[in-house]
Amino acid sequence: DAGVIQSPRHEVTEMGQEVTLRCKPISGHNSLFWYRQTMMRGLELLIYFNNNVPIDDSGMPEDRFSAKMPNASFSTLKIQPSEPRDSAVYFCASSPALPQWGEGQPQHFGDGTRLSIL
Amino acid sequence: DAKTTQPPSMDCAEGRAANLPCNHSTISGNEYVYWYRQIHSQGPQYIIHGLKNNETNEMASLIITEDRKSSTLILPHATLRDTAVYYCIVRSRSNDYKLSFGAGTTVTVRA
Repeated sequence: DAGVIQSPRHEVTEMGQEVTLRCKPISGHNSLFWYRQTMMRGLELLIYFNNNVPIDDSGMPEDRFSAKMPNASFSTLKIQPSEPRDSAVYFCASSPALPQWGEGQPQHFGDGTRLSIL
Repeated sequence: DAKTTQPPSMDCAEGRAANLPCNHSTISGNEYVYWYRQIHSQGPQYIIHGLKNNETNEMASLIITEDRKSSTLILPHATLRDTAVYYCIVRSRSNDYKLSFGAGTTVTVRA
């Protein structure tokens, strides 16, 4: 089975430009997550969708970041305008269903988009 | 949320078992222990999880102590491809979709 697919794998752009990262979750998975990884802060959860609805966006750093999930098979993370401090690896993950309290539902990660803002 | 403590690094010889310890002394009764790993330039990869019983799958075994305050991930026959950062995570009770990745253990498998 295909895993979580992210595109592009690498993105280099100039400060102020709009950046759009894309994610295709595993078919049948109801939950989708966007993470950001940097050396300084490690892996941080940015936003979590369940059944295409944003449930928790408390990790989104500021209004320049937005995420959408128009259908069960596609999500985008947009940064507008981008800044050098947004440089990081962005991961998308999906899991089979909304985790019930205490139950295990592993998240499956894509290989990420390495974003460099000059 | 229960916090975890892992050694920062460890080496392992190829073909030998790798035993990765994790302390989670404040774990609550309904919290699961998860293990993920991250190979360089890849996304985190789910390995295994458990509640109180020992678990085994095609990748690894998870041994949880009876008091649940610590666990050990066992890679039975380590290969060079197992070189990665390994994360032990306890699932939050209040926000159980959140995975809090700490610093993990950097495991280097040597030929």
